[in-house]
Amino acid sequence: NAGVMQNPRHLVRRRGQEARLRCSPMKGHSHVYWYRQLPEEGLKFMVYLQKENIIDESGMPKERFSAEFPKEGPSILRIQQVVRGDSAAYFCASSPVGGFSYEQYFGPGTRLTVT
Amino acid sequence: RKEVEQDPGPFNVPEGATVAFNCTYSNSASQSFFWYRQDCRKEPKLLMSVYSSGNEDGRFTAQLNRASQYISLLIRDSKLSDSATYLCVVGNNDMRFGAGTRLTVKP
Repeated sequence: NAGVMQNPRHLVRRRGQEARLRCSPMKGHSHVYWYRQLPEEGLKFMVYLQKENIIDESGMPKERFSAEFPKEGPSILRIQQVVRGDSAAYFCASSPVGGFSYEQYFGPGTRLTVT
Repeated sequence: RKEVEQDPGPFNVPEGATVAFNCTYSNSASQSFFWYRQDCRKEPKLLMSVYSSGNEDGRFTAQLNRASQYISLLIRDSKLSDSATYLCVVGNNDMRFGAGTRLTVKP
């Protein structure tokens, strides 16, 4: 049973470009969560999605960031017009049951570097 | 005040030592509690959930004190492979991660 998959593992973008991060949840999981981890800091919740729905985006910056989880295919976290401050590790997690009372299983992360 | 606070450490202990980590949380309505471990530049991995009655998994024991709003993790007979950062996680309307406590176990 494959775990949570994320790609790419490393992504380098120049300021102003767009970054697309992909996440495929564990088999049988329909709930996906995105987190950001800045160097030497803890993980910060960004957004919680279920298939075709954004359930909670309270942690998402209001501008330039968007997320989706289509009926078919992986969840996508999209960052438009990246800036140096967007450089971080972005982790996706999935769970079989929704909400924040259950264990979440993390993917290996995408390390975004903005030059 | 941070919502989830942990002693950042580092804790440097010899093999075989017992080490304890504490974590405090500010939201009294929090409903779920977990310990994760994170190795350098890797993803967090679930270590154990924390239940009101406390729970044990081998060398690891977790306790929850709702009245004082803190969670603890005890590691007995520590191994070199226990070296990692331990993350306290509290769930309510979202998941709040502590910044982590770094543990290094030395031979």
